[in-house]
Amino acid sequence: DAGVIQSPRHEVTEMGQEVTLRCKPISGHNSLFWYRQTMMRGLELLIYFNNNVPIDDSGMPEDRFSAKMPNASFSTLKIQPSEPRDSAVYFCASSLGVDEQFFGPGTRLTVL
Amino acid sequence: SQQGEEDPQALSIQEGENATMNCSYKTSINNLQWYRQNSGRGLVHLILIRSNEREKHSGRLRVTLDTSKKSSSLLITASRAADTASYFCATDGKAAGNKLTFGGGTRVLVKP
Repeated sequence: DAGVIQSPRHEVTEMGQEVTLRCKPISGHNSLFWYRQTMMRGLELLIYFNNNVPIDDSGMPEDRFSAKMPNASFSTLKIQPSEPRDSAVYFCASSLGVDEQFFGPGTRLTVL
Repeated sequence: SQQGEEDPQALSIQEGENATMNCSYKTSINNLQWYRQNSGRGLVHLILIRSNEREKHSGRLRVTLDTSKKSSSLLITASRAADTASYFCATDGKAAGNKLTFGGGTRVLVKP
């Protein structure tokens, strides 16, 4: 298996633009997590899905952020409109059950 | 504050020495996990210890868990330059489902 796949790896955009981050979890995993990592706030859970259903989105900062998981092999995290304070590394992770999470390589987002 | 908090925030040692870092948490847990993150990469799972376990070993890693003190320690023996990374503890919380809460991490520098 190729592991968790994220795209793009780097994204530079201007304030106000829409940003879409993509994730392909490991085949067979039933949980998918979106995290954001910054120097100031560390690693924060934004939202997680279980069997494609959003379970906990309490970490989503505000309405500008939305996430979808249309099927077991794909998820998106969208920011519209983006702001400079959204600059961070966004990680997707997947797991089978409640144990080990497998992280993707991350998307480094810079909003100018 | 976060469920898991690591101590120290940073650690610098010589190759061959042991590295010890601690994690404290606030609420009851099912299990506690340790992850490593190399610069610019996603997190990699190292070891999981369940709430009914007190000590666990994996290669050069030794993890202890004291649920009465709500704390855990990670010991890396005979450190190598390749162990240079940030180390995070993550707890699930009894009511958290699949959700993990990560601490702020300990940055370890192993000097050759």
